[in-house]
Amino acid sequence: QKEVEQDPGPLSVPEGAIVSLNCTYSNSAFQYFMWYRQYSRKGPELLMYTYSSGNKEDGRFTAQVDKSSKYISLFIRDSQPSDSATYLCAMRIQGAQKLVFGQGTRLTINP
Amino acid sequence: EAQVTQNPRYLITVTGKKLTVTCSQNMNHEYMSWYRQDPGLGLRQIYYSMNVEVTDKGDVPEGYKVSRKEKRNFPLILESPSPNQTSLYFCASSFPPPRGRRFFGPGTRLTVL
Repeated sequence: QKEVEQDPGPLSVPEGAIVSLNCTYSNSAFQYFMWYRQYSRKGPELLMYTYSSGNKEDGRFTAQVDKSSKYISLFIRDSQPSDSATYLCAMRIQGAQKLVFGQGTRLTINP
Repeated sequence: EAQVTQNPRYLITVTGKKLTVTCSQNMNHEYMSWYRQDPGLGLRQIYYSMNVEVTDKGDVPEGYKVSRKEKRNFPLILESPSPNQTSLYFCASSFPPPRGRRFFGPGTRLTVL
């Protein structure tokens, strides 16, 4: 069993829809949770960063962490074609350098 | 512009021919690392370096070497590449974990025939 599970998709939605992307994990020691966005032929770039449980909002993006369920989510409101990318969740134990990544979900927003 | 650069961006080579992928960052980051990205497996760490002359293995170090002689550079060396090393490679840098976001390079697509 992988430490971090993420549905690879692909996921295709119409422009303006609310998108929900999710990851589950098995290691309860994870304390830092991140979402990276990766455009085609580019490296991943950090999109959202959350420590421990709770919600974090940044513009159209909301990250949620539910440690009791070992489940994290990224919501994209009013999705745009420019949001089309692969979204990777990543997690880290406090004090550790290693990031554990999910497989990534390929998302397409159709105009 | 703050960035991580990798060269080459694309490389096709043959089994056994030594190659080096260079990585350079201009942000004065102490921490650098290499990942490979494969379909269905996500990003897996190959090696990392906490500072000059300090390197350590990640999850998939077999068949790879690294060196960190200067703060800005962290080359990845494949002494005898094999087809199972065909992959997309990313270099990343940051200030020492946990502080600082990790910046990724644009990637190097390697094909070993």
